Parts: sequence; structure tokens; C-alpha cells
Amino acid sequence: DAKTTQPNSMESNEEEPVHLPCNHSTISGTDYIHWYRQLPSQGPEYVIHGLTSNVNNRMASLAIAEDRKSSTLILHRATLRDAAVYYCILRNPLQVIQGAQKLVFGQGTRLTINP
Amino acid sequence: NAGVMQNPRHLVRRRGQEARLRCSPMKGHSHVYWYRQLPEEGLKFMVYLQKENIIDESGMPKERFSAEFPKEGPSILRIQQVVRGDSAAYFCASSPNSGLVPGEQYFGPGTRLTVT
Repeated sequence: DAKTTQPNSMESNEEEPVHLPCNHSTISGTDYIHWYRQLPSQGPEYVIHGLTSNVNNRMASLAIAEDRKSSTLILHRATLRDAAVYYCILRNPLQVIQGAQKLVFGQGTRLTINP
Repeated sequence: NAGVMQNPRHLVRRRGQEARLRCSPMKGHSHVYWYRQLPEEGLKFMVYLQKENIIDESGMPKERFSAEFPKEGPSILRIQQVVRGDSAAYFCASSPNSGLVPGEQYFGPGTRLTVT
């Protein structure tokens, strides 16, 4: 599996934007970039995913570098409820064909939101 | 539309007993995944099942652990002769299909197993 690198922790203030970076310099041309987050004492939840173009949904935006070696998850206006561990994960359709659909979680970035 | 359900939410077992963890996927989902999160560690994949089939068990410990997803009923993760090192949060996830674009997995709230 291609590796991702994220900062161990980040801190931000409530109602401010948050930019969570992820480096994936060994990404292959077919790898999708997925983001999940895990709130305290809960299961992970899907946030967003993309391949090449920037993506927006109700939770966040995903900005993907032109060379695809890095991406940034953007929370436009952080709330206390956004305090969680955020995981950047690469997923390859070729592995799906082979039957391997597992998510490979790294250590993620622990995001703290200050009131 | 109910989400992924897991029960029990908390399970206490003595060393040597058996633990059975249940997972009911979201309605219409036929793919189930089990992950384990040891204390202060990250989430690790254990097994991926479709109805009546184990597709990928590359993350399952070789002994004492087994999983099934029968035609009817929930998926079961079974741990025989539990040891203290099995104490962890066990999460189940489900997804609707295995299309070429890797889709999202929907996670349950987890079962927290404590072995005394």
C-alpha cells in the first residue's frame, strides 16, 4: 500500500478554517485519496474522497496537488464537534478487483479545537 | 435508515472465556469488515466478508479468532480463550458494493472488549 504522512497533531480555534495536510509522494495513478475521521469513543466516519480534481461536500473540501503527491483536507469553519483524529488513506481500484477492500489506517492527525 | 449496529457495546470476559461480537450491516449492504483498535494504537484491519464468504482475512490472528457472515443474521467475530491482549475496541464496517471506485465504509459504534 502506498504510504501517507500526516502531522501527529494540530490545533485550531473554533469558527476558523482548518487545513489538514497529507503527503503521499508514492501515490500511483489509480489511487484514490480518502479521508476519514474518528471522534472520541466512536467509530470512524467517512469525510470525503477524490482522485485528481478538488472536491467539496457538506462536511469539508479536499484540495489535491497537481502532481497528486499531497492533498489538504479543509474544514471551512471548525466547531468543537470537529475535534477528532483525521486519517488520510489511499485506496486502489486494482486492489478492489483482487478482493482487498480494506482501509489501511496510519496514525492520523489529532485535531484539537479551542473554544 | 439505521446505521451499522454492533452489540454488545461493552463486553467483559475473564481469561479463557469466549467472546462473541455481533455486527448488523446497514440495510442493503452485503460487505462487512472488522477492524481492531488496541489501546493507544491505530485501527487495524482484520477481515473482510461477503455473505457466506471470507474474502480477505489477512489481518486475522492465526489462532483463536474466527469470523462469519451467514446468509441470514448478523456477522459474528468470535474470539476463543481470550487473553488480556485481546482487550480492545472492535469496529465493524459495511459497504454496499465492490464497484471499481473504492466506496466509503460505514462504521458501527464498536464493541469494547475488556479481558480480566
